[in-house]
Amino acid sequence: DTEVTQTPKHLVMGMTNKKSLKCEQHMGHRAMYWYKQKAKKPPELMFVYSYEKLSINESVPSRFSPECPNSSLLNLHLHALQPEDSALYLCASSQLGQGGYEQYFGPGTRLTVT
Amino acid sequence: DQQVKQNSPSLSVQEGRISILNCDYTNSMFDYFLWYKKYPAEGPTFLISISSIKDKNEDGRFTVFLNKSAKHLSLHIVPSQPGDSAVYFCAAPTSMNRDDKIIFGKGTRLHILP
Repeated sequence: DTEVTQTPKHLVMGMTNKKSLKCEQHMGHRAMYWYKQKAKKPPELMFVYSYEKLSINESVPSRFSPECPNSSLLNLHLHALQPEDSALYLCASSQLGQGGYEQYFGPGTRLTVT
Repeated sequence: DQQVKQNSPSLSVQEGRISILNCDYTNSMFDYFLWYKKYPAEGPTFLISISSIKDKNEDGRFTVFLNKSAKHLSLHIVPSQPGDSAVYFCAAPTSMNRDDKIIFGKGTRLHILP
């Protein structure tokens, strides 16, 4: 199984809503990532979890709150977002300590903030 | 400061011919490079990688060439097929840490013409 799954595929939320994005992988990867991608731009790293601990936070606003409940799951909690936060949110995972840096991406959640 | 550069936003190639996508980097400490392919509304898919100890890596129709002295790499696809139409990102990890960030180029959109 080389799949990273993300739910939901699409999400529309108002600026006062609270919602969560979910990501799951069963490849035994110990690093998981959240990226944000705007149209015609490359993915931008938001957070990295390594062995279920937050290892990188790319100065992301606190209205985005990541959570790693276990080695297979990664959540991104959203609260009080702004319209400019509308984007494709990508989850990825990778093996640690095995050589190579290949990250495997999920299909993304298309988020629209109204 | 853009450390990984893809200077061609788009490229059109006839089906059956060779597609050559180029990437330049500025940081001589980079020692590993990856190419990702992305279809619209999907997450990036890992395609092929190369370590700086090699100057060529081949996988089926895909070959990546690395010229360390010029800080340049290229992805060759031959023969090009309609399903190769996608955005291609060149990427490099920023350190030896396996859970560190990967920097992506801005991408090149490849159109395969019938």
